[in-house]
This record gives sequence, structure tokens and C-alpha cells, in this order.
Amino acid sequence: AQSVTQLGSHVSVSEGALVLLRCNYSSSVPPYLFWYVQYPNQGLQLLLKYTSAATLVKGINGFEAEFKKSETSFHLTKPSAHMSDAAEYFCAVSDGSGTYKYIFGTGTRLKVLA
Amino acid sequence: DAGVIQSPRHEVTEMGQEVTLRCKPISGHDYLFWYRQTMMRGLELLIYFNNNVPIDDSGMPEDRFSAKMPNASFSTLKIQPSEPRDSAVYFCASSHRTSGRAEQYFGPGTRLTVT
Repeated sequence: AQSVTQLGSHVSVSEGALVLLRCNYSSSVPPYLFWYVQYPNQGLQLLLKYTSAATLVKGINGFEAEFKKSETSFHLTKPSAHMSDAAEYFCAVSDGSGTYKYIFGTGTRLKVLA
Repeated sequence: DAGVIQSPRHEVTEMGQEVTLRCKPISGHDYLFWYRQTMMRGLELLIYFNNNVPIDDSGMPEDRFSAKMPNASFSTLKIQPSEPRDSAVYFCASSHRTSGRAEQYFGPGTRLTVT
């Protein structure tokens, strides 16, 4: 069975500092992995996705994530945080077998300090 | 494209009443998903459809919940009778099968409050 673990339900960083949001997955088959962002009172928006091509994936708003099979991780990073990055971030895994179901992590709320 | 459209955006109802949430997926998408989001349980997949056919409803919490997709451009999630513990944000998402790498596009959600 697939699962996703997001370490840290709340993360605070200073504006301009590195953002690192952690995601570890469990999957018995090659996974497809996604990061979504949710701003207050809005739906989820896709940031980036890994689909077995390049292991370093670049997304929108300066975010990127690296797929590390040996560590079963797909951590999200951004070199320099901006106030507008404050939101909740969700990691999700899909087994790619054709069901298209996602398993979502519990989310990490990012706070950016001025 | 207008994206996934959900209505209403907010719904306040009394316990015991019937609630119907509506979703219009992105045109051309053949998968539709209904999720529920709460503080306690996070994002839960309730049910999903492929080509208007329900594929997996194992996440539907009780018989009080039902979902239909009469055509490719419309789906409903109904709760009858509603209870206070059904209060949550309900999201609809759609996707298109593209070699198995389809990302899901989410609607803005319906915030349901049952008093």
C-alpha cells in the first residue's frame, strides 16, 4: 500500500531564507509524486510533479523537488522564501497503475517571518 | 478554460437537512474526484469516477453520502440527512488520462457548515 509522510505540520522561515519541506513516500511500484499548495480559502494548486523523468523537478514560483529513490524522499525546496509563499503544502503519491488515485500527506503549513 | 467549478461556495444548513454539492469538471477530463478536508482528518478521497462511472467509493463515510455523475460535465455529492460532523470543505477535482501521469485540477471547494 502506498503512503506519504510529511515531517513537520508547521514550518517557519524568515523571508529570504531557504525553504525545505519534507516528504517521504512508500510505494511498491514506481511512484508518481506531486506537490500541491493551498492558499487560504482556496483549492489546491499543482506546484510540481515527478513522473520518472528527471529526478530534479522544477515547479512554479521558484520551487523545486528532488526525487531520491534510495531515501524514498521527495523534499520541496525554494532558495529564498517570500512572504507570498505562506500557505499549506501537500505532498501526494499516485501509483501510476492507471487508477489515478492520490494519497495525500497531512500537509505542512509554511509561515514566512518578516 | 474556467477550471473546475463548484457550487455553492458556502453552505450552512441545519442538522437533518439534505445537502447537494455540485461540480463541473474541466471540459475533456475523464476522471472526477470528490474529497473532504477537515482539520482532524486532512484530505480524504471520498469517491472517484471514470467516464461518468463510479470506480471507487470506499472513502464514502456512510450511506448518508451519495454521488452521481449523470454526464461528463456534471457531478453531485449529496448528504441526506446531514449531521454536524459533516462540516468540512468539500473539493472536486478532475484529470485527464495522459499516459498515466495525469495531475488533478482542484476546484475552489464548498465550505459546508451543519448546525
